[in-house]
Order: sequence, then C-alpha cells, then structure tokens
Amino acid sequence: AQTVTQSQPEMSVQEAETVTLSCTYDTSENNYYLFWYKQPPSRQMILVIRQEAYKQQNATENRFSVNFQKAAKSFSLKISDSQLGDTAMYFCAFTFGNEKLTFGTGTRLTIIP
Amino acid sequence: DVKVTQSSRYLVKRTGEKVFLECVQDMDHENMFWYRQDPGLGLRLIYFSYDVKMKEKGDIPEGYSVSREKKERFSLILESASTNQTSMYLCASRPVKALPGEQYFGPGTRLTVT
Repeated sequence: AQTVTQSQPEMSVQEAETVTLSCTYDTSENNYYLFWYKQPPSRQMILVIRQEAYKQQNATENRFSVNFQKAAKSFSLKISDSQLGDTAMYFCAFTFGNEKLTFGTGTRLTIIP
Repeated sequence: DVKVTQSSRYLVKRTGEKVFLECVQDMDHENMFWYRQDPGLGLRLIYFSYDVKMKEKGDIPEGYSVSREKKERFSLILESASTNQTSMYLCASRPVKALPGEQYFGPGTRLTVT
C-alpha cells in the first residue's frame, strides 16, 4: 500500500517570507497524481495545487509551487510571499488514479504578522 | 462555485445510538466520498460512491454504512455509535471529468459520542 509522509507537524514563518513544506511518498507505480490540500481554521478544505507524475515540469499556481522529484519520491510545496490567510493545515495526498486518495498526517502552518 | 454541505457542524450522540450524517452537493458530481479526520492520522477514506445506489469500501469501513438514493445526496450511517467513532467527518465530491483525487470538500461534522 502507498504511504504519504509529512515530517513537519508544525511550522511557523513571518509574513512575506517563503516557506517550504515537505512530503515524501512510497509507491512502486510509475503513473500517479499528487496534490496539496489546504484546510484553514474552521473552514473547508480546498485544493491548492496538483501534479501528474508523468509531467516533468513542476506545477505552479500563483504564489504556490511544487518541487516534484520523482526519483526521490518527494513532493514539497513552496509558498512565496506568505500571507496571513495562508495559515492553515496543509495535507499532501496521492492517488494512482482510482478513487482512493491517501493523505499524509498534515503540517500546521502559522503565518506570523 | 461548487457547494458541498453537511447537515450538522457539531453533533453529540450517546453510545449505541444510530447516527445519520448527511451530505449534499449541488454540482451534479458523480462521485462522492466520506472521510474521517483524526489528529496525527490525516484523512482516512470510509466509503465512496460513483453512482446512485453504488458504493465501495474505503480503508476503514468497519462500523459504518452508506446510502446514496439520489445523485446529490450521500449519507453516512453509524449503526451503533461507539466512543471510538468520535471524530471529524468530511464529505467530498468529484466530477468524473476532473483529475482523480481532485475533490471538493464540505465543512465537516464534528461528532462526539459519549
């Protein structure tokens, strides 16, 4: 079974700084999909960014970008120019392409004013 | 905007009660999911459904059942609630045209079983 590991339970960073959240996964498959989800305090979880494993180019969505290292099975999230609204729980997730999405344990990120 | 709603934000039930958690989505999504979220464990899939009256077990189906009589509504049922089912329950939906794993979540129901 695939596993997703987020080794940083909590992180904090000053507003406007850049922060990187780490995620590693374990699979023997070649084709799969990776995601970062954000869960703000008392609000709904939303998708931040997605990466298809067959694409070599790292995905980018405005201030959010990923560093996808397929050989190392690493999928880190970089948040540039962090804002107070980025304070949230962040989950890394993985699927082969069926409906089973495997989540990591999450990283609680606090942006300090 | 996609809207996924859950019937209650907070629920307190007694051990042994039958509990219904309701989820409704308004975007005609084919696939719907139920997860539970526990600190230090992330989200774990309980059941999912890819069509009306169809269901598939997730990773932790024991103690739960589901019902999908209409496309927009997916219910999670705890037949006899136990204290170890105290948790946050999240519903999600996905249109088949989206990438696998690209899901839209509801606000969650925090269930306490005493």
